[in-house]
Amino acid sequence: EAAVTQSPRNKVAVTGGKVTLSCNQTNNHNNMYWYRQDTGHGLRLIHYSYGAGSTEKGDIPDGYKASRPSQENFSLILELATPSQTSVYFCASGGGGPNTGQLYFGEGSKLTVL
Amino acid sequence: GDSVTQTEGQVALSEEDFLTIHCNYSASGYPTLFWYVQYPGEGPQLLFRASRDKEKGSSRGFEATYDKGTTSFHLRKASVQESDSAVYYCALSDNYQLIWGSGTKLIIKP
Repeated sequence: EAAVTQSPRNKVAVTGGKVTLSCNQTNNHNNMYWYRQDTGHGLRLIHYSYGAGSTEKGDIPDGYKASRPSQENFSLILELATPSQTSVYFCASGGGGPNTGQLYFGEGSKLTVL
Repeated sequence: GDSVTQTEGQVALSEEDFLTIHCNYSASGYPTLFWYVQYPGEGPQLLFRASRDKEKGSSRGFEATYDKGTTSFHLRKASVQESDSAVYYCALSDNYQLIWGSGTKLIIKP
């Protein structure tokens, strides 16, 4: 069974603080993704990675950084959190080529920035 | 660029009703098409996929047929149950990226 684990599952942060959301996958997938989900906006891609050491900007990267130190781990970093970044964040992993698009998601991290 | 359009933002049905959620896409070539389902409090999970014209994907009583002529991949189920309450996303992949529709919330009326 494919497994993607996110931590923390819930986080309350203060404006201007640093937040790190972590994701671990045991699927041995090359590709990993960070999405945010807000009511009325569906899923929006923030950053993604093709493998260890690589990060790419998605559709809404401003205010976020990403880090992929290993095949298994992919982090999303908010250096200076703002209330507009209050959202639910999902990490996903997936294969490439003909399997691109077949993603396995974590259960989400709910972030509230006060 | 490529795009996916789901026309219904929300669908409200009674148990045992027939479900149709419309999905149309715009892309060159033969993208792979997907339906994902997201239950409350969970991440999206793949329902099924289809890669060729006229291919039918199916799972858990849901089905959709890839139609290149009408650029559609409509989701159907003959008889919905309360447990089907969820948000359904249509998506396409061109082997480089996944393009998501806006999602359709299915509500089962008591």
